[in-house]
Amino acid sequence: SQTIHQWPATLVQPVGSPLSLECTVEGTSNPNLYWYRQAAGRGLQLLFYSVGIGQISSEVPQNLSASRPQDRQFILSSKKLLLSDSGFYLCAWSPDRGLNTEAFFGQGTRLTVV
Amino acid sequence: SQQGEEDPQALSIQEGENATMNCSYKTSINNLQWYRQNSGRGLVHLILIRSNEREKHSGRLRVTLDTSKKSSSLLITASRAADTASYFCATGPSTSGTYKYIFGTGTRLKVLA
Repeated sequence: SQTIHQWPATLVQPVGSPLSLECTVEGTSNPNLYWYRQAAGRGLQLLFYSVGIGQISSEVPQNLSASRPQDRQFILSSKKLLLSDSGFYLCAWSPDRGLNTEAFFGQGTRLTVV
Repeated sequence: SQQGEEDPQALSIQEGENATMNCSYKTSINNLQWYRQNSGRGLVHLILIRSNEREKHSGRLRVTLDTSKKSSSLLITASRAADTASYFCATGPSTSGTYKYIFGTGTRLKVLA
């Protein structure tokens, strides 16, 4: 069966520090991968998605970047965090080329920038 | 970007009552999906309805879709305290070639025991 791992669960970082959040998927190949951010009590904002290694689509130009160095690994990064980067970050995957398929979510990372 | 609005933003009901949540979306769709999120956790998929379907059932869940109005509703019957969560609609991957899931703003449901 497929599983998705996302870590860390919580993170407190000072303004101006770098960020690296990692997400890995097991039990499937060539998944579509996603990073979302959720502000407190709000909906999900799609940040990046990837349909293959090295293929990254950015939905919201901002202080963040994403990379997919391996088929089932998706990394969210920042060189210098801003206070506005605080939020709940969710990684998700969906089956390759699936149109009528669901997305599967990790448990999220709560990032607080101080 | 958000796909659309969900209504109401928050809903509080007594255990045993039915809960109805509405979702509006902006673009043409291939399917519409509903997800549940417990506080501080990831989202869990509940049900998917295709654009050529008008109604779908799964246990105590009933979803309707009106593509002419670009709207959907989720009905939870005989609600339980364990149904307390946030519920989100999302438009799924489209035949235009993008594989994005775009979510609504969510409805926070509280079921009182």
